[in-house]
Amino acid sequence: AQRVTQPEKLLSVFKGAPVELKCNYSYSGSPELFWYVQYSRQRLQLLLRHISRESIKGFTADLNKGETSFHLKKPFAQEEDSAMYYCALSSGGTSYGKLTFGQGTILTVHP
Amino acid sequence: DGGITQSPKYLFRKEGQNVTLSCEQNLNHDAMYWYRQDPGQGLRLIYYSQIVNDFQKGDIAEGYSVSREKKESFPLTVTSAQKNPTAFYLCASKEAGTYEQYFGPGTRLTVT
Repeated sequence: AQRVTQPEKLLSVFKGAPVELKCNYSYSGSPELFWYVQYSRQRLQLLLRHISRESIKGFTADLNKGETSFHLKKPFAQEEDSAMYYCALSSGGTSYGKLTFGQGTILTVHP
Repeated sequence: DGGITQSPKYLFRKEGQNVTLSCEQNLNHDAMYWYRQDPGQGLRLIYYSQIVNDFQKGDIAEGYSVSREKKESFPLTVTSAQKNPTAFYLCASKEAGTYEQYFGPGTRLTVT
């Protein structure tokens, strides 16, 4: 069965500092991985997906199959980055699209 | 702010009562999902549906039931058999052939 682990429940950094949110996964197939974000009083929304290799709001995430990791990184954190971040793994391809979520990490960026 | 709507925002019920949570979408998405969000546990999949009149159990379906009679609607019933029903419930939908799920605002259910 697939599993997603986010080891940090809380993460605090100062504005301008680098930030890395950790995500590890276990999955027997070829993984499709995503980061979702939930800002205060907003809906959960997709931040980025590994297959597109995009940089969204300055965030990037690289899939490391050897370490089974998909860590989210940003070189210079901003106060507006404060939010709950979820790492998610999709199984069943685009047909079923079942998502398995990690426990979530609350990021706080201090001024 | 259309897209996916969930009602009500807050719901209170007595133990032993069944309760139905509403989820409606006007995105013309084929797939719909129900998740449960608990502190420290992330989101867990309850049920999902790919097409009308068809649905599958997720990871924690016990004590829940769903129906999908219309493409735009996917109500979730929390039955009295659910041992720990107090939680935040999120509905999502997805367009066929894509990966991105779009989430509703959620319903917070409290059972006492």
